[in-house]
Amino acid sequence: DAGVIQSPRHEVTEMGQEVTLRCKPISGHDYLFWYRQTMMRGLELLIYFNNNVPIDDSGMPEDRFSAKMPNASFSTLKIQPSEPRDSAVYFCASSLTGEEETQYFGPGTRLLVL
Amino acid sequence: GQSLEQPSEVTAVEGAIVQINCTYQTSGFYGLSWYQQHDGGAPTFLSYNGLDGLEETGRFSSFLSRSDSYGYLLLQELQMKDSASYFCAGLRTYKYIFGTGTRLKVLA
Repeated sequence: DAGVIQSPRHEVTEMGQEVTLRCKPISGHDYLFWYRQTMMRGLELLIYFNNNVPIDDSGMPEDRFSAKMPNASFSTLKIQPSEPRDSAVYFCASSLTGEEETQYFGPGTRLLVL
Repeated sequence: GQSLEQPSEVTAVEGAIVQINCTYQTSGFYGLSWYQQHDGGAPTFLSYNGLDGLEETGRFSSFLSRSDSYGYLLLQELQMKDSASYFCAGLRTYKYIFGTGTRLKVLA
C-alpha cells in the first residue's frame, strides 16, 4: 500500500487566500484524522471522520476552517480566508478502526501564510 | 484539562540507554502510545500500552502505570538514527491526545 497520501507537500500563500489541503487515506481504513503541528501548540487533533462522517470537530480552531470527506478515499481541509497564524504543518492520518492504537500519518503539508 | 507532559530535550551517547518520561493529568485513557518523528518527517508508531506494565519491541520498551498517571519509553543500544522527537499519546475514545514531545539527541 502507498500509505496515506497528502497534497500539496508545500504551500505558500498570501493572507486572505483560500487554501485547500488534500488527503487520501489507506484503503480500507475507516477513520481519518486531521492534525496541525506548530512549535507553540504541538500536535493538535482538528477533526476526525468515521466512515466519511465527521465525528468530532471540537479541535477546529474557528469557522475559517472546514473539512469534508465526500468518499472513503478522499478528504479535504479548507482554510478560508487564511491568516499568518495558520502557518503550520498539517497532517492527515488514518486507522483501520477507531480502537486501533496505530494511526498512520501522511507526510504532511507545510503551509506558510504570508 | 487534558495534558501529557514530557521533558523537552534529552541527550545521550551512542550505545547508551535513555528513558523518556510521560506524565498525564487526566483520566479516561484506554492506553498510552509512543510515536517517533524525525525532523521534517511524519510521526510513526512505536509502541502501545493497553495494560499496566512493560511492553518490549526490539530495542524499544514502553511502560505504563495508570495508578501513577505515568509512562515511559526506554530506548536501548542507542544509535545515531534514534535522534528524533518522541511523543507519548493518550488514547481516548477513537482519538489521541499528544504529549508535548521530547527531542532526543544522540551523540557519537
